[in-house]
Amino acid sequence: EIVLTQSPATLSLSPGERATLSCRASQSVSSYLAWYQQKPGQAPRLLIYDASNRATGIPARFSGSGSGTDFTLTISSLEPEDFAVYYCQQRNDWITFGQGTRLEIK
Amino acid sequence: QVHLLQSGAEVRKPGASVKVSCKASGYSFSNYAMHWVRQAPGQRLEWMGWINAGNGNTKYSQKFQGRVTITRDTSVSTAYMELSSLRSEDTAVYFCARAYCTSTSCYYYYMDVWGKGTTVIVSS
Repeated sequence: EIVLTQSPATLSLSPGERATLSCRASQSVSSYLAWYQQKPGQAPRLLIYDASNRATGIPARFSGSGSGTDFTLTISSLEPEDFAVYYCQQRNDWITFGQGTRLEIK
Repeated sequence: QVHLLQSGAEVRKPGASVKVSCKASGYSFSNYAMHWVRQAPGQRLEWMGWINAGNGNTKYSQKFQGRVTITRDTSVSTAYMELSSLRSEDTAVYFCARAYCTSTSCYYYYMDVWGKGTTVIVSS
């Protein structure tokens, strides 16, 4: 099973700042990686698929990069509604998720 | 508007089974695959399996193989997930989630529309 490790566990930033979240795979997942946002009591929301493609309706401030084992989700300028938990997910070998990064308001 | 309506919370004793439903609306049910994902308290999301709603083919996570059964009824646009031999570690929120498709391609292993989740508590 491919293990996804996200860092940091918690990221404290202010609105308007840039957020950089990391996801590392235990073995290569090629570009088969997605990012999701989850707010308390809500279902996850697909942000990015195939490492760098924004899903339908996702604002341009969200971008993804990486391939192989190292991936990054960048939020260029944080809006108040962006503070949530973010998960990465790979689909190269079955489907597994990372443990999440909590993005909190500083 | 695309929507997935899940059944209500369930409480089961260890060893029992539970069946969760997921009724789709706002799109052509048979044209998409449906995944089931669970989230135990404070834990990461965990993929359980999926069904091709068109032909009924399924694929299950090895972790749940033999205990999970995913089915669908196209006449009522509903997918079901049944988990048997429940244990306390199965206490979680269970989500159904539709596979992601754009206007030109389907990415069967990503999920764009999710239900609100069904809480399943396993306790003696």
